[in-house]
Amino acid sequence: SQQGEEDPQALSIQEGENATMNCSYKTSINNLQWYRQNSGRGLVHLILIRSNEREKHSGRLRVTLDTSKKSSSLLITASRAADTASYFCATDDNTDKLIFGTGTRLQVFP
Amino acid sequence: DAGITQSPRHKVTETGTPVTLRCHQTENHRYMYWYRQDPGHGLRLIHYSYGVKDTDKGEVSDGYSVSRSKTEDFLLTLESATSSQTSVYFCAISSTASQPQHFGDGTRLSIL
Repeated sequence: SQQGEEDPQALSIQEGENATMNCSYKTSINNLQWYRQNSGRGLVHLILIRSNEREKHSGRLRVTLDTSKKSSSLLITASRAADTASYFCATDDNTDKLIFGTGTRLQVFP
Repeated sequence: DAGITQSPRHKVTETGTPVTLRCHQTENHRYMYWYRQDPGHGLRLIHYSYGVKDTDKGEVSDGYSVSRSKTEDFLLTLESATSSQTSVYFCAISSTASQPQHFGDGTRLSIL
């Protein structure tokens, strides 16, 4: 049973545009993490937001967390072709395990 | 990149044969995880380890066993491979359960 569900499943944009992807989850969490996966590679950690935080920034990434709605969003600003990848949210509910969503496939066209 | 090596990177085998995948880390992290990734399912946890000889089941543990006799190595064994276990398998490590995980580049396993 997946804890996190990403929306949309796929997203296509032009370089320079912003990309927003959303994650919804089901239970209380300790933190929520976002990962990127390039084709044929392992996941790479992008950003972690704790349950008592509402927003976090890292370079061109902005993550928000709304624990009352059990949702998070990842915004990539001024996207580049190199941002083409799948993006996953993962929730930590204090059980020693992360639960990953099914991911959003982002395609950025030059 | 964090020091994680998965071997083999690719394997083709037949139904009913035993298969062992190896994850080796040089980071001295306490936690190690095995996931499988299938289209439409994202990453699903198979087993994980929270220390030498300390392991626990994940969401999809049936048909899999693990062992961790040293901090640096975490083995995943398919005792008798089935076609439903065709997948890409990822190993991950973390220093604590709440810290970000670092992933290997995966093992693509095909069972014919």
